[in-house]
Amino acid sequence: SQELEQSPQSLIVQEGKNLTINCTSSKTLYGLYWYKQKYGEGLIFLMMLQKGGEEKSHEKITAKLDEKKQQSSLHITASQPSHAGIYLCGADSGNTPLVFGKGTRLSVIA
Amino acid sequence: DADVTQTPRNRITKTGKRIMLECSQTKGHDRMYWYRQDPGLGLRLIYYSFDVKDINKGEISDGYSVSRQAQAKFSLSLESAIPNQTALYFCATSDSPIQTQYFGPGTRLLVL
Repeated sequence: SQELEQSPQSLIVQEGKNLTINCTSSKTLYGLYWYKQKYGEGLIFLMMLQKGGEEKSHEKITAKLDEKKQQSSLHITASQPSHAGIYLCGADSGNTPLVFGKGTRLSVIA
Repeated sequence: DADVTQTPRNRITKTGKRIMLECSQTKGHDRMYWYRQDPGLGLRLIYYSFDVKDINKGEISDGYSVSRQAQAKFSLSLESAIPNQTALYFCATSDSPIQTQYFGPGTRLLVL
């Protein structure tokens, strides 16, 4: 079965700093999904990557899928308190429900 | 109005009680899912349904059952709740064949 490992598990950054979160798959990815969760709330879909080398951006958040389609990174530029939360990656391995990583907890301090 | 709703939002129950968590969606999606989230364990799939007549077990289905009453409704039941079922429960939907899942706000369940 497919497994996703996220790193780091948690991250504390100063407001205005850049940061990167990684998601590594045990198998080739058909699709990689990034979600954000505010503490104790539902997951909000951020973006989806399918093609090797693909890169997408939403406001100050950029996600990339590497050429071999086994790793994705999420980069936040000039972090703000509104970026705080838990970021989860989800993998599509065919016609089955998404498998999720355990999440990266991001705190942004002033 | 939210596209995926869950009721109740919070529930406290006692060991041995039967409870039902309900999920409704207005997105018109065929596929629905139930997950639980525990600290340090991430999201784990309990059951999923690709259409009204389709029910599939997920990673951790023991102790749970589901009912897909209609395309828009998918209920999760705990027949006899136990304390280790204390968790945050999420319902999600997706539209075949696109896999992007849209989540409800969650139900926080405490089993005493």
